[in-house]
Formats: sequence, C-alpha cells, structure tokens
Amino acid sequence: QKEVEQNSGPLSVPEGAIASLNCTYSDRVSQSFFWYRQYSGKSPELIMSIYSNGDKEDGRFTAQLNKASQYVSLLIRDSQPSDSATYLCAVNIYGGSQGNLIFGKGTKLSVKP
Amino acid sequence: NAGVTQTPKFRILKIGQSMTLQCTQDMNHNYMYWYRQDPGMGLKLIYYSVGAGITDKGEVPNGYNVSRSTTEDFPLRLELAAPSQTSVYFCASRPDRNTDTQYFGPGTRLTVL
Repeated sequence: QKEVEQNSGPLSVPEGAIASLNCTYSDRVSQSFFWYRQYSGKSPELIMSIYSNGDKEDGRFTAQLNKASQYVSLLIRDSQPSDSATYLCAVNIYGGSQGNLIFGKGTKLSVKP
Repeated sequence: NAGVTQTPKFRILKIGQSMTLQCTQDMNHNYMYWYRQDPGMGLKLIYYSVGAGITDKGEVPNGYNVSRSTTEDFPLRLELAAPSQTSVYFCASRPDRNTDTQYFGPGTRLTVL
C-alpha cells in the first residue's frame, strides 16, 4: 500500500513565526510532490510543487525535498493568521502521465495573532 | 471562465437511492478526476479520465460509475447509496500530461441516511 504520512496537528504558531510542515512517503519511485492548502469548507488549492532534491522558494513558502529520506516539507515564513488552514501533502506515486495523486491526511495549521 | 463547476453543492440521500454528481470544466482540459474526502482525511481518488471516452478506476471505485462523453463533462454516478458514501466529493481537472497542476471544483457534500 503506497502511503503519504503527515502529522495531523493541530500545529499552532504565533504570528510572524516560521511554520514547519512535514510529510513522508513510502514509494521510492515517486517523482512529483505537491503542497495544497485547504481552508475549512473549501476545495484544495495548489501552493507549491517540487520535483528535485533541495529547496524551492516562492514568496514566503519554501518546499524542501529529500528523496533519499523520502521526505518533503513546507516552511511558511512570517506566518499570518490568513495562513490558518489544513495543508495537504500529495505525491504522484505512479509517475507517468495520469498524474494520479496520493494525498496525506493533512496538517491543520493555526496562526495566532 | 468559470473553471471547474460542480452540482449540487449539498444533497441528502436515503439508503438505496441513486444520484449523479455533475462536474463541468470550461478550460478544455483533457484530464479529469473524482475524489472523495472523509472528515479529517486526505483525498482519495475514485475515478479518472485522460480524455473523452476514456475512464479508469482509482483507489476507491466500488459503488461508483463514471462516463466521459465530452471533454467538458465528467459525471459521477452512485447507484445504490450507502452510509459509507457520506463524504465531500471533489472534481478536478488538469490540462495535459505536461502540466501537473490540478484545478479543483468547489465540492459536493453528500449525506446518506
């Protein structure tokens, strides 16, 4: 069974702090990794994708990938109350063109003013 | 450009009833997906389609059927509703094999009593 694991949280950080969200995956052949943000009662929204080992930065968000450790993380700098949401890690387990994703259960982030 | 639309937004079914969840996208995307999300869980892939006339099973297809007669529409059919199908259903689309981003619809909240 191919799996994506995340801590469910809730993760609580004060406004302005760095929030660190972690994800591990079971399938070594995975090539594509994604972070989705989901506000309560809303649909998921893609915020970061990463394909190569190392860091990828986009504004206040940094995704980190370590394929040897089968680990992907998301850092949110200068956290804002508007960042409070559930963050879903997703992995393209099967590779190929179908783009089928396996999702983790999500980590609920709460940013306190 | 409405993106991905889903109807209805909410529905309550009795055990054994049937219904069709509608999904339409106006972005001319080839790939379309149906997911379900149970409370506190990640998304599970039910069915997907890589183009009109082509569909395939995902992780949790039992109790569901799909069709894809046009590029725009990808309806999901529940034939004999069961309480285990109580969930939020999301439809998503993706342009082509070279683009990883999936665009999600607003979801349908289904309760089976």
